[in-house]
Amino acid sequence: AQTVTQSQPEMSVQEAETVTLSCTYDTSESDYYLFWYKQPPSRQMILVIRQEAYKQQNATENRFSVNFQKAAKSFSLKISDSQLGDAAMYFCAYLDGGSQGNLIFGKGTKLSVKP
Amino acid sequence: EPEVTQTPSHQVTQMGQEVILRCVPISNHLYFYWYRQILGQKVEFLVSFYNNEISEKSEIFDDQFSVERPDGSNFTLKIRSTKLEDSAMYFCASRPGHNQETQYFGPGTRLLVL
Repeated sequence: AQTVTQSQPEMSVQEAETVTLSCTYDTSESDYYLFWYKQPPSRQMILVIRQEAYKQQNATENRFSVNFQKAAKSFSLKISDSQLGDAAMYFCAYLDGGSQGNLIFGKGTKLSVKP
Repeated sequence: EPEVTQTPSHQVTQMGQEVILRCVPISNHLYFYWYRQILGQKVEFLVSFYNNEISEKSEIFDDQFSVERPDGSNFTLKIRSTKLEDSAMYFCASRPGHNQETQYFGPGTRLLVL
């Protein structure tokens, strides 16, 4: 079965600095998708960024970018120029390309941003 | 921008009571999902729904749970006889269709079973 591991329960970053959140996953599939979702205190799940496994190029979305290492099964999220509004729980999630959409989530990393 | 909506935002119920959680997915989406998140834990998949039937369900989704799409817009999750351990945040999600894998989540319903 596929698993997603986020080894950092909590992280902290100074405003305007850069932080990297780690995520590793385990799968025997070659076709899959990876996501980072943000969950602020309101608890709504907001999509931050997605990556298709067949794409070698790392996804970027404004201040958010990923480092996708397929061989190492690693999918880290880099947040540049951190802002106070980035403070939230961040969940890494895996989707098997052949499934009906059963997202498998990691346990999350709580990010604090210090002014 | 269209978004998934859920009602109610909060629900408190007594153990053994039935609850219905409601979701309105994004209008042109074809796949619908329910997830739950027990406080302090990770988000867990419950069920997926496509073409008016369940396409996949997890071990959590036992006979106490059911889903329905009673009309063209609503997607409901019913818990027949709630237990204390059903207390959680319940998220509805939808996605457009084939080859469009991103799921869009609603704001969640916080269920508290007393």
